[in-house]
Amino acid sequence: DAKTTQPNSMESNEEEPVHLPCNHSTISGTDYIHWYRQLPSQGPEYVIHGLTSNVNNRMASLAIAEDRKSSTLILHRATLRDAAVYYCILRALSGNTGKLIFGQGTTLQVKP
Amino acid sequence: GAGVSQSPRYKVAKRGQDVALRCDPISGHVSLFWYQQALGQGPEFLTYFQNEAQLDKSGLPSDRFFAERPEGSVSTLKIQRTQQEDSAVYLCASSFWGFRDKSYEQYFGPGTRLTVT
Repeated sequence: DAKTTQPNSMESNEEEPVHLPCNHSTISGTDYIHWYRQLPSQGPEYVIHGLTSNVNNRMASLAIAEDRKSSTLILHRATLRDAAVYYCILRALSGNTGKLIFGQGTTLQVKP
Repeated sequence: GAGVSQSPRYKVAKRGQDVALRCDPISGHVSLFWYQQALGQGPEFLTYFQNEAQLDKSGLPSDRFFAERPEGSVSTLKIQRTQQEDSAVYLCASSFWGFRDKSYEQYFGPGTRLTVT
């Protein structure tokens, strides 16, 4: 399975945008890029996913580099409730049963 | 609607005891996953069911771990003769689609925190 690299931690101020980077230089052409987050004492929560094009939903935006070797999760206006561990995960189209392989993730702190 | 539920939320077991952890997935969801999360780490895959069929159990750490989903809905993860290293949060996740659709999202339960003393 292709590996992702994320910073261990990031800080943001409330109501400011946050850009969470993820490197995945060994990504294959059919790997989907998924982002999940885990709030304290909760199970992970799906945030967004994409393949090649940038994606937007009500929670966030996902910007994917043209060569697909990196991506950025964008929270447009951070709130205190966005403080969580954010995981960037690659999911292969074939060869496995769809299990998620989590790394260490990025711990996001949001300051009031 | 109701999300994924797990019970019990907390379990304390003495070393050597058997435990059973229950997962109630979202109704109608085909896929069900179990993950183990040690303190300070990301979740690690244990096993996968598509309906009642256990298609992947490559992540089960030993033969003391056993999972079932006999009717394709509720699932139970059983750990026999618990050891201290089994202490972790056990997470269950479900998804509407089968594994061939890799774009789907997984919905996680709150987890069961197992402490083995």
